[in-house]
Amino acid sequence: EDKVVQSPLSLVVHEGDTVTLNCSYEVTNFRSLLWYKQEKKAPTFLFMLTSSGIEKKSGRLSSILDKKELFSILNITATQTGDSAIYLCAGGGNSGGSNYKLTFGKGTLLTVNP
Amino acid sequence: SQTIHQWPATLVQPVGSPLSLECTVEGTSNPNLYWYRQAAGRGLQLLFYSVGIGQISSEVPQNLSASRPQDRQFILSSKKLLLSDSGFYLCAWSGNSGGYTFGSGTRLTVV
Repeated sequence: EDKVVQSPLSLVVHEGDTVTLNCSYEVTNFRSLLWYKQEKKAPTFLFMLTSSGIEKKSGRLSSILDKKELFSILNITATQTGDSAIYLCAGGGNSGGSNYKLTFGKGTLLTVNP
Repeated sequence: SQTIHQWPATLVQPVGSPLSLECTVEGTSNPNLYWYRQAAGRGLQLLFYSVGIGQISSEVPQNLSASRPQDRQFILSSKKLLLSDSGFYLCAWSGNSGGYTFGSGTRLTVV
């Protein structure tokens, strides 16, 4: 059974701090690792990682994948109150044919205090 | 461009009543479609996925069923709701790139 584990489950920081969110995965026929941000409603896409060691960056957010250790991290620098959200990690794999599906972790609840 | 529509946004239903949630995708053909539920524990649990019309795979045994009557339509149903069916239901689609796009979600409260 595919499994994705995120840590920590919750985190409280002050504005300006840097945070690192962790994600480990065990996914059959692994294809990709995705990060999403969820505020009040549906998750919004942040990154998709398919290759080891190549950092993806978007503003203050960055992420990297280690396919040997089955691990990914999401970094947020100079955090702002608007970064407060649940951050979801998901592992994507093909169980057979075109049966691609994402298995999600429980998420990390990030609270950024002013 | 591709868009995904999910409705209704919120729903309050009594125990034992039926359920029908609908999801449609525009701007793509033959998408993979998914139904997820997010309960209080925050993780997203895959309920059903479909790779084509009439093809439904169920991930967990439960009180719900899914159907795909048309290429870009995915429906989540129940004949009789239970209290434990309460949660946030998300429809999603994926194409060849491997990323998911989510609908806006339906918050279901069974009372």
